[in-house]
Amino acid sequence: KNEVEQSPQNLTAQEGEFITINCSYSVGISALHWLQQHPGGGIVSLFMLSSGKKKHGRLIATINIQEKHSSLHITASHPRDSAVYICAFALSGGYQKVTFGIGTKLQVIP
Amino acid sequence: EPEVTQTPSHQVTQMGQEVILRCVPISNHLYFYWYRQILGQKVEFLVSFYNNEISEKSEIFDDQFSVERPDGSNFTLKIRSTKLEDSAMYFCASSVSLAGRTGELFFGEGSRLTVL
Repeated sequence: KNEVEQSPQNLTAQEGEFITINCSYSVGISALHWLQQHPGGGIVSLFMLSSGKKKHGRLIATINIQEKHSSLHITASHPRDSAVYICAFALSGGYQKVTFGIGTKLQVIP
Repeated sequence: EPEVTQTPSHQVTQMGQEVILRCVPISNHLYFYWYRQILGQKVEFLVSFYNNEISEKSEIFDDQFSVERPDGSNFTLKIRSTKLEDSAMYFCASSVSLAGRTGELFFGEGSRLTVL
């Protein structure tokens, strides 16, 4: 079954802490997405990557294709980072369906 | 900044009624998608649309559902004869290129459907 697993499912951090969220999958993929879902429900794409590492501001995403693993890092976390972070993938082979994980709920406390 | 817009933001309907959810994707995007999220559950793919036809659909997207792009800007999801279990947040998304390859997904704010 094509699934994606995230850990941890819930995370509470103090403001300023370095945060890591992990994502594992078991199938061949063509792309992995990291998304942020706000408390109000809206979804924002953070990264799409198929290899290596990407950085945007305080966010860093890495992927290891051989190990079928990706991580999202947040440096100098801030209360406004509080959200659900979702890992999702598209299967290799040109499929358009994107399979989503359940997400990691992050709360950053001042 | 260009954005995907969805209407209505919330719709309440009686079981058995037809519902149309509307989306205006980003203008230069070529691929359009509908996803749904039942409360407390993960986001699920429903359908993708390219070149005025369905390019991929999930097992959820049965004959009860249909999509169309009637006027070159709007992208609609029609749910016929709604059921209680259709209650969910429905997200429209678009991408310049294939989401499975190089296409970053841009999501609308969602349309919450409540079926009574």
